[in-house]
Amino acid sequence: KQEVTQIPAALSVPEGENLVLNCSFTDSAIYNLQWFRQDPGKGLTSLLLIQSSQREQTSGRLNASLDKSSGRSTLYIAASQPGDSATYLCAVRHNYGQNFVFGPGTRLSVLP
Amino acid sequence: EAGVAQSPRYKIIEKRQSVAFWCNPISGHATLYWYQQILGQGPKLLIQFQNNGVVDDSQLPKDRFSAERLKGVDSTLKIQPAKLEDSAVYLCASSALPGQKGGELFFGEGSRLTVL
Repeated sequence: KQEVTQIPAALSVPEGENLVLNCSFTDSAIYNLQWFRQDPGKGLTSLLLIQSSQREQTSGRLNASLDKSSGRSTLYIAASQPGDSATYLCAVRHNYGQNFVFGPGTRLSVLP
Repeated sequence: EAGVAQSPRYKIIEKRQSVAFWCNPISGHATLYWYQQILGQGPKLLIQFQNNGVVDDSQLPKDRFSAERLKGVDSTLKIQPAKLEDSAVYLCASSALPGQKGGELFFGEGSRLTVL
């Protein structure tokens, strides 16, 4: 059974810092991995999708990497801003099925 | 392109009452998911449809929860009778098949249920 963990559970940083969020999964047989952002009281917004054959994806100040063999993905946020404050979740999609398994999320606060 | 639509956004009911949530996925998306998200946790899959067939409902409490996806488009999730522990946000999501557009997952705004 796939299990997804995220470290740290919460993070508070001053504005302008570069930061890294971590996602680990137990079964490396994944089809793809997706990072999401969730604002309070809202649904999840897709940030980046990495296919199993890819090593990284970039969008603006965000860069996500994938290391299937070690069961890890990182989300790098450059030059953080107060507007980046939200909960960030990763989800993995299996090879043998189509369901996504989610981690518990990292709650990020960027202080002005 | 319109996103995933859900209604109602909020619902308050008493325990043992029933409630229904509706979802309309992104046009052309074959796969539709219902997730339950309890405060402070990641979403947990309740049921997954591909077109109008069920792919995975292993975590759906079938004694009280039911879901259907008629004609392979919109879907309804029903809870009857509701329990206090059903208080959560019910998220609907859709995706194209994995070989199409990478199979990216898109979510609606969610339906927040409070059971008193």
